[in-house]
Amino acid sequence: NAGVTQTPKFRVLKTGQSMTLLCAQDMNHEYMYWYRQDPGMGLRLIHYSVGEGTTAKGEVPDGYNVSRLKKQNFLLGLESAAPSQTSVYFCASSYEIGETQYFGPGTRLLVL
Amino acid sequence: GENVEQHPSTLSVQEGDSAVIKCTYSDSASNYFPWYKQELGKGPQLIIDIRSNVGEKKDQRIAVTLNKTAKHFSLHITETQPEDSAVYFCAARMDSSYKLIFGSGTRLLVRP
Repeated sequence: NAGVTQTPKFRVLKTGQSMTLLCAQDMNHEYMYWYRQDPGMGLRLIHYSVGEGTTAKGEVPDGYNVSRLKKQNFLLGLESAAPSQTSVYFCASSYEIGETQYFGPGTRLLVL
Repeated sequence: GENVEQHPSTLSVQEGDSAVIKCTYSDSASNYFPWYKQELGKGPQLIIDIRSNVGEKKDQRIAVTLNKTAKHFSLHITETQPEDSAVYFCAARMDSSYKLIFGSGTRLLVRP
């Protein structure tokens, strides 16, 4: 099992550009999450999903959109990137809501 | 809302010594407290967790203690080894909540 995978690993964007981060899990988990990690601030939840076709806002959702068209995939979109979105983005999944979360390796995003 | 404070932000110990990381939480309704280890360039990985009906839990060289009255919990690593060097995050979750609130992380360095 690959667990949780994320693509791309690293990306540089210019302000105003758009992109989509892809998360995939092969553990048949219902719940999936997107976090951002910034120095000294731990992990903050952007959006989450409780099942295929559902999404909900987390702590810091502004500037991001998500979609969960298939159970195994959770997409994070930036429609118009801003320098404040420079961060490391982690996807996670869990079998039960809020329980043990399995994290992907992260995507490092730099917005110039 | 829920807040989790973690101390210290950095910790350096000699190989073989013990390391202790402490976290406090604000919401007395919190009932699940996981600890994650993040190695360089990787996503966080669960190493141990504790629930509010238990005061202490051990797994080989790692232990976690919980004091519900004082609203704090701690990670104890004994006989530290260089491979324990990483960033450690505590987290707290309220009952039936989707959301884990993470501490800001502790960078542990184990000197050979």
